[in-house]
Amino acid sequence: GAGVSQSPSNKVTEKGKDVELRCDPISGHTALYWYRQRLGQGLEFLIYFQGNSAPDKSGLPSDRFSAERTGESVSTLTIQRTQQEDSAVYLCASSRRVAGGRDTQYFGPGTRLTVL
Amino acid sequence: GESVGLHLPTLSVQEGDNSIINCAYSNSASDYFIWYKQESGKGPQFIIDIRSNMDKRQGQRVTVLLNKTVKHLSLQIAATQPGDSAVYFCAENYSGNTPLVFGKGTRLSVIA
Repeated sequence: GAGVSQSPSNKVTEKGKDVELRCDPISGHTALYWYRQRLGQGLEFLIYFQGNSAPDKSGLPSDRFSAERTGESVSTLTIQRTQQEDSAVYLCASSRRVAGGRDTQYFGPGTRLTVL
Repeated sequence: GESVGLHLPTLSVQEGDNSIINCAYSNSASDYFIWYKQESGKGPQFIIDIRSNMDKRQGQRVTVLLNKTVKHLSLQIAATQPGDSAVYFCAENYSGNTPLVFGKGTRLSVIA
């Protein structure tokens, strides 16, 4: 079946512009996650959606970052007034969130954001 | 704070040799662990997982070992191939409603 998809694959923008990144999770997955990965570094958790619960926004680095999810489908990550330090690959993952706490996440290919 | 870390940031192995990638975790409450492989330009891919009630789990050419006494996780790759070259991340899960915590990653380079 289809995996997690993200668009665009690459985005180049100018400092100060707003950008929207899109994630389509695997159908039936109730949980959706956004991560940031700077060049050569690990995964930095940004935000987590689980069903109809309030999202866990504890990883968002500033109020310029926000995300929305419609039901258990598409999510958009918005970065306002982009800064050069926002340049990174933004990864989305989804999981079925099996009861008992196991959280096997499946990742999309990421969106590479470059802020000039 | 709680964290997942890796002992070795880079690892170079000869093709055909076995590889061992290590990971330390600090939260004794973690009960589920995953290894991911990330090839250049791609998102992380699930390789293998293990629950805390096990100490070993085998997949195809990969084995994950869990030592809860010393809070250590390892990934063993048998007969390493050039296609195994990637960054490998371990991740832990320690609550019913919190996301995975990822380690920093180890880059595996396979020398032909």
